[in-house]
Amino acid sequence: DTGVSQDPRHKITKRGQNVTFRCDPISEHNRLYWYRQTLGQGPEFLTYFQNEAQLEKSRLLSDRFSAERPKGSFSTLEIQRTEQGDSAMYLCASSNTGGSGQPQHFGDGTRLSIL
Amino acid sequence: AQSVTQPDIHITVSEGASLELRCNYSYGATPYLFWYVQSPGQGLQLLLKYFSGDTLVQGIKGFEAEFKRSQSSFNLRKPSVHWSDAAEYFCAVASSGTYKYIFGTGTRLKVLA
Repeated sequence: DTGVSQDPRHKITKRGQNVTFRCDPISEHNRLYWYRQTLGQGPEFLTYFQNEAQLEKSRLLSDRFSAERPKGSFSTLEIQRTEQGDSAMYLCASSNTGGSGQPQHFGDGTRLSIL
Repeated sequence: AQSVTQPDIHITVSEGASLELRCNYSYGATPYLFWYVQSPGQGLQLLLKYFSGDTLVQGIKGFEAEFKRSQSSFNLRKPSVHWSDAAEYFCAVASSGTYKYIFGTGTRLKVLA
């Protein structure tokens, strides 16, 4: 069990640029989640996948955000035309298939800073 | 709508003292409840979870939590805090039929030597 891996750990970019983050879940986990955490707040749900299917998206996920999990393994989260308000920690988590009580295992996150 | 409230933003305790972090949730049925810990710049580590059954659950690092339905609470406790417990603690709830967690705003724990 190598844990959930996220890349990069830090990303600094200018407003208006596009950024893409990658998440590699625990290998046997079918579900993959993205959360956003701003300073002083708890993580907020963005979206989740079961295998390659994106099954739920939050209203926080504006049309500038897109997430994919093409082969049901790793996932990418892209933000287009970044804005100051996108500065946050983006957390990925994964879990086994099962009921809602399956615990989610988190990666160390990607911290995005918009200049 | 589901919600989680962690009333204490910051808590400071002396090393060796006991600890209780409060968590209240709002949900109609019995939820799935979790406590996570986050060190600076890191992701979240699961401490313990409650689904059903015994209302007192044991977790890692000597933590325990008690589910009290009548109070809609799921408070985290530790009998003797260590300096390495200094971190931010998050309570989360998930409901049956959805797989997203709703997190509280967190409690930052400071431990005095």
